[in-house]
Amino acid sequence: DSGVTQTPKHLITATGQRVTLRCSPRSGDLSVYWYQQSLDQGLQFLIQYYNGEERAKGNILERFSAQQFPDLHSELNLSSLELGDSALYFCASSVAAGSSSYNEQFFGPGTRLTVL
Amino acid sequence: ELKVEQNPLFLSMQEGKNYTIYCNYSTTSDRLYWYRQDPGKSLESLFVLLSNGAVKQEGRLMASLDTKARLSTLHITAAVHDLSATYFCAVENLQGAQKLVFGQGTRLTINP
Repeated sequence: DSGVTQTPKHLITATGQRVTLRCSPRSGDLSVYWYQQSLDQGLQFLIQYYNGEERAKGNILERFSAQQFPDLHSELNLSSLELGDSALYFCASSVAAGSSSYNEQFFGPGTRLTVL
Repeated sequence: ELKVEQNPLFLSMQEGKNYTIYCNYSTTSDRLYWYRQDPGKSLESLFVLLSNGAVKQEGRLMASLDTKARLSTLHITAAVHDLSATYFCAVENLQGAQKLVFGQGTRLTINP
């Protein structure tokens, strides 16, 4: 158990809908990362937050957004869902934002999203 | 742009054999991570390699890093069935915000 929690574990929804995925980082970690894992795209970095602020953006679609709250939990919002958004979404956390310290990330159990 | 490539992508081997997974990356970094993923599960951190020549060992797995060659290896010694999983290397991008860039993963199947 990495200490990172994600809810829900599974989500089944229809095209065009909107869903919210939730992540709580390990105690003491300030950075939260979101990743999407699909068979065709592999593991793709979506976005990073550090202590409530957006730090880095990866291959995140405009239909997707995220935020990190004062208690450091994070939510990933996916809207106007398409079939191709079906994937495993992971949250990871780390202590630092980077620079002088290394950035080992600890992954949550993931949320499996199925869009029908 | 940092790119990370693993090979092989699929590896089927017999118990008791040795093999190596390779991870090549395209730009300078001295921070490399190996993760294990079981089917449908999360990623488990295996090794953190932070300098040129770093070598880490845990059980039958040994990882090393050559930053000059931009190459890391994950060596499996006397494989056992429990090591069947997908293994990912990830390189930390040192420019700008330090995100991890993952390789494609190596699906390892160890047959009795």
